[in-house]
Amino acid sequence: DAGVIQSPRHEVTEMGQEVTLRCKPISGHNSLFWYRQTMMRGLELLIYFNNNVPIDDSGMPEDRFSAKMPNASFSTLKIQPSEPRDSAVYFCASSLGWGTNYGYTFGSGTRLTVV
Amino acid sequence: SQQGEEDPQALSIQEGENATMNCSYKTSINNLQWYRQNSGRGLVHLILIRSNEREKHSGRLRVTLDTSKKSSSLLITASRAADTASYFCATPTVTGANSKLTFGKGITLSVRP
Repeated sequence: DAGVIQSPRHEVTEMGQEVTLRCKPISGHNSLFWYRQTMMRGLELLIYFNNNVPIDDSGMPEDRFSAKMPNASFSTLKIQPSEPRDSAVYFCASSLGWGTNYGYTFGSGTRLTVV
Repeated sequence: SQQGEEDPQALSIQEGENATMNCSYKTSINNLQWYRQNSGRGLVHLILIRSNEREKHSGRLRVTLDTSKKSSSLLITASRAADTASYFCATPTVTGANSKLTFGKGITLSVRP
C-alpha cells in the first residue's frame, strides 16, 4: 500500500482565495482524520470521519472551513476564503476501525501558505 | 483535557546513549500511543500500549505505562543519528461514544554523531 496520500504537497495562495486539500486514505481503513500543525498550537484535530460520516467537527475553526468524504477513498478539506492565519501544515490520517483503538497512519502533509 | 504533556521539551544526546522521554496525562485512558515525526514529514506511529499493559518493546524502543501515576515513558536504547526527530505521545479524548487522539506538543530529540 502507498500509505495515506495527500495533495498538493505545497500550496501558496493569496488571501481570499479558495483552497482545497485532498486526501486518499489507506484502503480498508474506516476512520479518517484532518489535523493542522503550527508551531504555536501544535497538532489540532479539525474533523474526523468514520465510514465516510463526519463524527466530530468541533475542531473546525470557523465556517470558512469545510470537509467532505464522498466515498471511502477520498476526502477534501476546503478553506474559503483563506486568510494568512490559516498558514500551517495540514495532515490527513487514517485508521483501521473505530476511534483510538488502532494507530493512525499519517500522510506527508500539505504545507499551506496564505499571503 | 486528556492531552498528554511530554517532558523534556528538548533532549540532546550523543550517538550510542539512551534517550528517555516522558509523558503525563490527566484522566483515565484505555491506551496511549507514541509517534515520531522527522523534519518536514508526517507522523509515524511507533507503539500503542493498552491500559492493562505495563511495558512494551519494539526493537530498540521500550514503552512503559503507569496508570496510577498517569504517566508513560519512551526509551530509545543505543540511539543513532537517524533517531533525530520529534516524538509525541497521544491519548484518547472521549466524548460520549466517540474518541479521538489528542497529541502533546512533542519532544525534540537531537542525536549527535
